[in-house]
Amino acid sequence: SAVISQKPSRDICQRGTSLTIQCQVDSQVTMMFWYRQQPGQSLTLIATANQGSEATYESGFVIDKFPISRPNLTFSTLTVSNMSPEDSSIYLCSVDQNTEAFFGQGTRLTVV
Amino acid sequence: QKEVEQNSGPLSVPEGAIASLNCTYSDRGSQSFFWYRQYSGKSPELIMSIYSNGDKEDGRFTAQLNKASQYVSLLIRDSQPSDSATYLCAVRGGAAGNKLTFGGGTRVLVKP
Repeated sequence: SAVISQKPSRDICQRGTSLTIQCQVDSQVTMMFWYRQQPGQSLTLIATANQGSEATYESGFVIDKFPISRPNLTFSTLTVSNMSPEDSSIYLCSVDQNTEAFFGQGTRLTVV
Repeated sequence: QKEVEQNSGPLSVPEGAIASLNCTYSDRGSQSFFWYRQYSGKSPELIMSIYSNGDKEDGRFTAQLNKASQYVSLLIRDSQPSDSATYLCAVRGGAAGNKLTFGGGTRVLVKP
């Protein structure tokens, strides 16, 4: 399976600030996926990032709040902007190999 | 109706017994089915994928798929305390296309 490196692994941030999460994959992939996992909840897809085009956002998520970059086929970033305590979650990067999805180790974000 | 449903648990299982986890899905066009294990504070780890009706065995794990009943299950034989985790059912295909839709997860506790 692909090796997915995500950083930071955790952070505590002040409300109103922004945090950029990085995701690096050890092989080239067409699509990279960003998920949110709120405390005690399952995973919710935020957006799909394709290289060379705008990310595709799911219902309830907007680019102004969660801007995504995808500069090449092995790297993506997700920014959580103007954070509030409600953004406290685990954010996960994912890639597909064949039809199976694999995840980075996640970023545990706490907003105070 | 949720797209992918699981009993949240906790499912308490004595060590050495069989843990049986169930998952139902609403989209009859779904084509790919996955079970992930997630330890507390960690990211999901793929343990089984299944694509056709019937059983698929891998070590102590058996996945069962019944597309007519829109039902997928996971059996864990000879349960160990290290199997204590949340198990997430995920589905791909149908109206959601290539997107992965997760159930809410079932928490399993294996008691020594």
